[in-house]
Amino acid sequence: SQQGEEDPQALSIQEGENATMNCSYKTSINNLQWYRQNSGRGLVHLILIRSNEREKHSGRLRVTLDTSKKSSSLLITASRAADTASYFCAEGSGNTGKLIFGQGTTLQVKP
Amino acid sequence: ETGVTQTPRHLVMGMTNKKSLKCEQHLGHNAMYWYKQSAKKPLELMFVYNFKEQTENNSVPSRFSPECPNSSHLFLHLHTLQPEDSALYLCASSQVAVSTDTQYFGPGTRLTVL
Repeated sequence: SQQGEEDPQALSIQEGENATMNCSYKTSINNLQWYRQNSGRGLVHLILIRSNEREKHSGRLRVTLDTSKKSSSLLITASRAADTASYFCAEGSGNTGKLIFGQGTTLQVKP
Repeated sequence: ETGVTQTPRHLVMGMTNKKSLKCEQHLGHNAMYWYKQSAKKPLELMFVYNFKEQTENNSVPSRFSPECPNSSHLFLHLHTLQPEDSALYLCASSQVAVSTDTQYFGPGTRLTVL
């Protein structure tokens, strides 16, 4: 299978805590993207990190990329109940717009 | 989510029915995508269209037939589906079909095949 793996599959934390999700990928990427999906809805793009970048920030989100280990992590700081959702990493490579999505991490933030 | 709309939101069909899913994007994009999301499986890319031309067919069975009449509209025609085709079908669009472009997703059509 081309799809990478995300770890953990499920995560439950209290509001205010930080949440860290990890993604391992398999292809030679030119970028790695993170998306969020609320239950049964469409995905929303969160952040893109290019293969020549090691870290990127957007608001409460911090993404790291280690191309030598083919892994990425998404950190959500000071979590809120509204952050409850599934989070997916997606490998971007080539010039066709094709993204390969991971299995996803289901995050529950308890108020 | 209003940038990409999908109809219907829910669809129940028998295996012998013919139905179509519709996607419309209001973002002025030139690339459109169909994805399938089954329970407990990763999101699977089905088709990519760039400037109305199909650029990717991810080994999708012929009972799924896409149509892209213009850059704003994308259809997925369904014929003689199987119960295992029950899933959430998501449409997305991007400026052009390159991997560095952000994809904007619609809310999906929840399909149940009886």
